Amino acid sequence: DAGVIQSPRHEVTEMGQEVTLRCKPISGHDYLFWYRQTMMRGLELLIYFNNNVPIDDSGMPEDRFSAKMPNASFSTLKIQPSEPRDSAVYFCASSSWDRITDTQYFGPGTRLTVL
Amino acid sequence: AQTVTQSQPEMSVQEAETVTLSCTYDTSESDYYLFWYKQPPSRQMILVIRQEAYKQQNATENRFSVNFQKAAKSFSLKISDSQLGDAAMYFCAKFEGGSEKLVFGKGTKLTVNP
Repeated sequence: DAGVIQSPRHEVTEMGQEVTLRCKPISGHDYLFWYRQTMMRGLELLIYFNNNVPIDDSGMPEDRFSAKMPNASFSTLKIQPSEPRDSAVYFCASSSWDRITDTQYFGPGTRLTVL
Repeated sequence: AQTVTQSQPEMSVQEAETVTLSCTYDTSESDYYLFWYKQPPSRQMILVIRQEAYKQQNATENRFSVNFQKAAKSFSLKISDSQLGDAAMYFCAKFEGGSEKLVFGKGTKLTVNP
């Protein structure tokens, strides 16, 4: 199994630009999670999906952030417009469908820098 | 808020020695799950070990073992025969069934000295 795949690994953009992060979960996993990691706040859950449906987006910082999961094998996290304070590492994780308490497997992360 | 506390921002150990990383947590639930994740410089979050709260037996994975003290809400990680490749940030995490969220501690940076 290839594990959780994220792209790009690094993204550098200028303030005001739109940023799209991509994630492919492990095949057969029906839960998908987006996290953000910063030095100040550590790892924070932004949003998670079950069977492609957003279940809890209470961690999404503001309306500039949006996430979609059009099918079981693909999800995007979009920031529009981006701001310097959005600079962080963004992780995608997935877990199996029958128990949300099952282990979450993380992708390699996307390091986002907003200038 | 439910919290996970790692009181040791940094730890160091000599190669081949044993080190224990501490973690305490807050919960009002009787059934929950606890995890240790490792994050090396590559940034990849790697599962080290997991523990179901309803199991009294401490989880073990090769050189990694936990000391789970449910009454004390403590979940420490012991690394035996430390290797240079064990150097990383270690995060303790608790899954909250009520909120369905995985809550992480701030992490402990482990250095392994040759």
